[in-house]
Amino acid sequence: AQTVTQSQPEMSVQEAETVTLSCTYDTSESDYYLFWYKQPPSRQMILVIRQEAYKQQNATENRFSVNFQKAAKSFSLKISDSQLGDAAMYFCAYRSYRSGSARQLTFGSGTQLTVLP
Amino acid sequence: GAGVSQSPRYKVAKRGQDVALRCDPISGHVSLFWYQQALGQGPEFLTYFQNEAQLDKSGLPSDRFFAERPEGSVSTLKIQRTQQEDSAVYLCASSLADGVGGNTIYFGEGSWLTVV
Repeated sequence: AQTVTQSQPEMSVQEAETVTLSCTYDTSESDYYLFWYKQPPSRQMILVIRQEAYKQQNATENRFSVNFQKAAKSFSLKISDSQLGDAAMYFCAYRSYRSGSARQLTFGSGTQLTVLP
Repeated sequence: GAGVSQSPRYKVAKRGQDVALRCDPISGHVSLFWYQQALGQGPEFLTYFQNEAQLDKSGLPSDRFFAERPEGSVSTLKIQRTQQEDSAVYLCASSLADGVGGNTIYFGEGSWLTVV
């Protein structure tokens, strides 16, 4: 079974600064997907960024980028030029690639990000 | 619909009461998931449907939990004889098609259940 670990329960960043959220995972599979989701107080999970394990290039979406280290099983999220609207709980998640296997996302425990004005 | 819709948004149930939570996925989405999220924790998988077939129910915590999707669209999660430990947000999610692990999964805003 896959596990996802987020070791930072809380993080804070000054507005306009850069912050990095950490995530490690454990799997015996070679092909999989990794995701970062944002969850504001409304509780709706919003996809921030995703990474295919077979791609060496790190994914980027505007101010959000990842540092994917497959050998180390590490998948960190970098938020540049932080904005007040970035404040939320952030979850790292894993999903198997193989058909016929479990379809669900496996989530970490989350990191609560506070953005200071 | 434009997004995944869940109802009720908030439910307070007395211990021992039965509750039913509804999920209306995005139109045309084949895959549907239910997750349970306790306070301060990440979502935990409950069950998965592909159309009307329940392909995985390994995450259902007890036989008090039951889910169905009879026509392959709307789904209902039913909890019988609710207990205090059932208090959580129940998230429903859907995706367009099965078979490709990277298809984006869209979430609803959840149903907040409080058992008193």
